[in-house]
Amino acid sequence: EIVMTQSPATLSVSPGERVTLSCRASQSVSSNLAWYQQKPGQAPRLLIYGASTRATGIPARFSGSGSGTEFTLTISSLQSEDFAVYYCQQYNTWPPITFGQGTRLEIK
Amino acid sequence: QVQLVESGGGVVQSGRSLRLSCAASGFTFSSYAMQWVRQAPGKGLEWVALISNDGTYKYYADSVKGRFTISRDSSKNTLYLQMNSLRVEDTAVYYCGRDPRYCIGVSCYLGSVDYWGQGTLVTVSS
Repeated sequence: EIVMTQSPATLSVSPGERVTLSCRASQSVSSNLAWYQQKPGQAPRLLIYGASTRATGIPARFSGSGSGTEFTLTISSLQSEDFAVYYCQQYNTWPPITFGQGTRLEIK
Repeated sequence: QVQLVESGGGVVQSGRSLRLSCAASGFTFSSYAMQWVRQAPGKGLEWVALISNDGTYKYYADSVKGRFTISRDSSKNTLYLQMNSLRVEDTAVYYCGRDPRYCIGVSCYLGSVDYWGQGTLVTVSS
């Protein structure tokens, strides 16, 4: 099973700041990695697939990069609606499909 | 627009069974693989199962293998999750999701979820 590790667990940032979230895979997942955003009481929303391709309707301030075992999600200028939990997910080697434990973005 | 609506959750005693349903609309159901993903209270996301677009192939997390069965009925545009021998640790919100099977060049990949239902809560009591 591929273990996905996200860091940090919690990030306190101010609106307007640029933020980078990290995700590491225990072995290579090529570019078969997705990022999701989840707000309290809501279902997750797909942000990025293929490590760097924005899903339909996702604002350009969200960008993904990386391949192999190291990945990042960058939000160029945080908006109030971006404060949420972010999960990475690998779908290169499965079953099982695996998620990271999540990074919580909170308002500083 | 794509809609996924789960139902069937509730409170059930350990060892009993429950069947979840996910009604799909707004897209050609038979063209897409589908998934179930769960989230225990206050915890992260856990993949549960995936079924191919035609129902031929089914995959499960080890934690549910042999107890849960994923199925689909394309005549009803509905995805199911039959959950038997439920355990306290199966308590979670269960989401159904559409797998877009993204293709890059000549390669296509299952595993991500582009549309999610609102979730249905399953509580297993001891």
